[in-house]
Formats: sequence, structure tokens, C-alpha cells
Amino acid sequence: GAVVSQHPSRVICKSGTSVKIECRSLDFQATTMFWYRQFPKQSLMLMATSNEGSKATYEQGVEKDKFLINHASLTLSTLTVTSAHPEDSSFYICSASKQGASDSPLHFGNGTRLTVT
Amino acid sequence: AQTVTQSQPEMSVQEAETVTLSCTYDTSESDYYLFWYKQPPSRQMILVIRQEAYKQQNATENRFSVNFQKAAKSFSLKISDSQLGDAAMYFCAYRRAYSGNTPLVFGKGTRLSVIA
Repeated sequence: GAVVSQHPSRVICKSGTSVKIECRSLDFQATTMFWYRQFPKQSLMLMATSNEGSKATYEQGVEKDKFLINHASLTLSTLTVTSAHPEDSSFYICSASKQGASDSPLHFGNGTRLTVT
Repeated sequence: AQTVTQSQPEMSVQEAETVTLSCTYDTSESDYYLFWYKQPPSRQMILVIRQEAYKQQNATENRFSVNFQKAAKSFSLKISDSQLGDAAMYFCAYRRAYSGNTPLVFGKGTRLSVIA
């Protein structure tokens, strides 16, 4: 089955530093990947849509300069949280599906728990 | 915009019994897909079942089945013979059909407890 790998699974950083999270599709090509954020005991909220070779599309209220997304290849998207603050602490999870397959379920990475101190 | 509503924040069921989780959605689209995902404490998102809107037949997957009522925009999940391992957060999700790729829209989730 389709596998999405997300790294790191857990990261602690100091306020003001930047953190990069990687999302890889291991056995399929993904022209589009999605980044979600999940606060404790809440649902997954879409942050942005990452498109290979072009700029990401951000949801309303998500700061594109704080959450930098790069999708340089068909198997890798990265989310960089810049100048992190404690309020950025959250669970971030990426997802992808096979190219052009909207009838397929999204496959999720295992998520990254970010703690900003 | 599409919305997904799960009106039951928490549910509980006795082991081996049956439980139904509710989900309604709002959309103006005629073609779409619906999913139930399970999120255990590990927070991994696990696909439970999917339903294509153009199919009238309800999807089933072993102990999991859905009651899909397109006109009512309702998509409930029935878990039969509940097991302790079924305890988790369950999310109902909607995905617009499109030639490209579209994101999932999630409900707020239902936390299911299974009582031994």
C-alpha cells in the first residue's frame, strides 16, 4: 500500500528558531501534498496545499511567511516553521494521494509533534 | 464551502456490542467521496472505510459498515462486535471529486470508548 513518511516525529525547539518537517511519499508520486495542523483533542485543520514545482496554496488565516512550504520533487514536500513561538506548538501532519487520484483516500504521515519552549 | 458535522463528541460501547457514529455533511457537489478515519492515541490516521457518492450500495469492511443517505447528506458508521482496539478518535471526512487532487475536510471527531 501507499506509504507516506514524515520526519521528525517529535521535535523540541527554542522560541525564535526554525524547524523543518519533511513529508515523503515512498512508493508513489504525489504532485500534491496537504499539510494539516491538529491541536489537542481537536480535528485536523488544513493549513496549505503543496504543489510540486509551484507555490503552495494557503488556507485563510495561515501565515505563508511563517509556514514555508517547498515541494521540490514528486516525492518530497517540506514545511518550515520559521521564527517559532510557543503558540506554534502543535501536531503537524502531512498527507498525499497518488497523482490525479481524487477517488483514493489520502495517505497520512505519522505526524510531527512540535513543542516550542 | 463543504462542511462536515459530527454531533457526538464522545460515545461508549460495551465490548462485543454495536455502536453507530453519526456524520452529516453539507455540499452543493453531486460527485464526491466520504471517508471514516480512525485516530488512536498514537495519532496515526488510519482509513476505516470509504464511500463513493455515486454508489447507492453502502460500503462494508469486515465489522465496519456505513449507512449512506445521499439525499439526507448523512454518512453514519456502524461498528459491530466492538473490540477494545476500536477505542480511538473517529473522523468523518469529505473529499470533492476532481480530476486533480483535493484535500479532505474533516468533522470534529467522535471519541469512542470501548468498555470491557
